[in-house]
Parts: sequence; C-alpha cells; structure tokens
Amino acid sequence: QKEVEQNSGPLSVPEGAIASLNCTYSDRGSQSFFWYRQYSGKSPELIMFIYSNGDKEDGRFTAQLNKASQYVSLLIRDSQPSDSATYLCAVNRGTGNQFYFGTGTSLTVIP
Amino acid sequence: GAVVSQHPSWVICKSGTSVKIECRSLDFQATTMFWYRQFPKQSLMLMATSNEGSKATYEQGVEKDKFLINHASLTLSTLTVTSAHPEDSSFYICSARGLAGTTSYNEQFFGPGTRLTVL
Repeated sequence: QKEVEQNSGPLSVPEGAIASLNCTYSDRGSQSFFWYRQYSGKSPELIMFIYSNGDKEDGRFTAQLNKASQYVSLLIRDSQPSDSATYLCAVNRGTGNQFYFGTGTSLTVIP
Repeated sequence: GAVVSQHPSWVICKSGTSVKIECRSLDFQATTMFWYRQFPKQSLMLMATSNEGSKATYEQGVEKDKFLINHASLTLSTLTVTSAHPEDSSFYICSARGLAGTTSYNEQFFGPGTRLTVL
C-alpha cells in the first residue's frame, strides 16, 4: 500500500465550477498535510497546509482533513483556466524528516 | 520568506561528464534538504535526504556513488551527477526544511529545479 494515494485524473471542470481533489494516506499517525500545485516544467509550489480535522479556507481554496477516514481533500472554487496544473498531496508523519508525496492529480479547467 | 534557489537552472553536458547542482536556502537555515528527480509526465521521485554535517540517506534504487550529495552548511546542499549518461536526463528539484522550532520546520520549500540534458 502506498503512503499517499491520489487519483491521477485527468480531472476536467468547466471554468467557474468547483474542482474537488482527493487524497488518502496510510499512516494513521500522520500529522501534517500539504497541497502543492505544479505547472508543467516547473517545481511544486505550496498552496495550503492543514494540521487539524475540519476545513481550512484560503481564498478560493479549501482544504478538508478527516483523520478518522485518513482522507484529505482540496476544493477549488470558481475554477480558472490558470488553475490547470498537477496537484500533489503530501503527508508528514511528524517524526523524522520524510514527506510522502502522492503521484498527483492532473486538473484541466476548460474555458 | 522561505526562498530556495537552485543553480544552474538548466545544463547540457556530454555523456561521461559530471554535473554539480547547487541548492541554497536564501533566507532561512535548513537542517534538511531533499533531492527529487522527475521525468516527463511522471511524479516526483525522492532520491535522497540530506542532513547538514552528516551523510545523505538514499532511497532504494538510487546509486549513492553516482549521485553524490554534500550538505556542508545550513544553507547549501549540492548534488553531483557523476559520469552522466543520457538516461540521467531529468528535472532535478531540491527542497529544504527549516530548523526545528522555527515556522519553516513543518513545510518543504522547493527550489525552481534544474533541467539536465545529457547528450
């Protein structure tokens, strides 16, 4: 079982819609959860992180964490074509150094 | 804050030569730096974890004698691809994590990446 799993997509949504990206993780002791966005040919950039159960909102982005279900998601409201990218979920156990990345979900926002 | 730079941003070299890539944390001290490789349309693959002043920890399948990592200071880690071959052509990305007890400890900050092409 992989540490972090994501649906590879591609996920396509029309402009203005809500894009929902999902991620599950295997280690119940994981403590920190991150969403990165990666444009083609570029390195990942951090969108949001979340530590506690529930929702965390930042502009058009909302991260949702459910530790009981070992599930973290990212919602993008009012999706824009510029949101088209690969979204990486990452998990840190809190002990040691390693961050575990999912394989990423490719999102395309159609104008 | 929390800026990580890489140099060079791209490099083209002949097969058999060695290439050094630098990763610097510009405005924070990084106990730990990570080196990733990414082939086209594939996910990030962690190659090694580098801790300042100690030997790097390599992931399974990564040759430590081919990918030499040096983390001599809290702001600089280098990756040297020795005797590079065309199959080493890839996008190499470093990231850095700040010191324990600082706000940058709980996140990874990525450099812009280095695109290596071996002819």
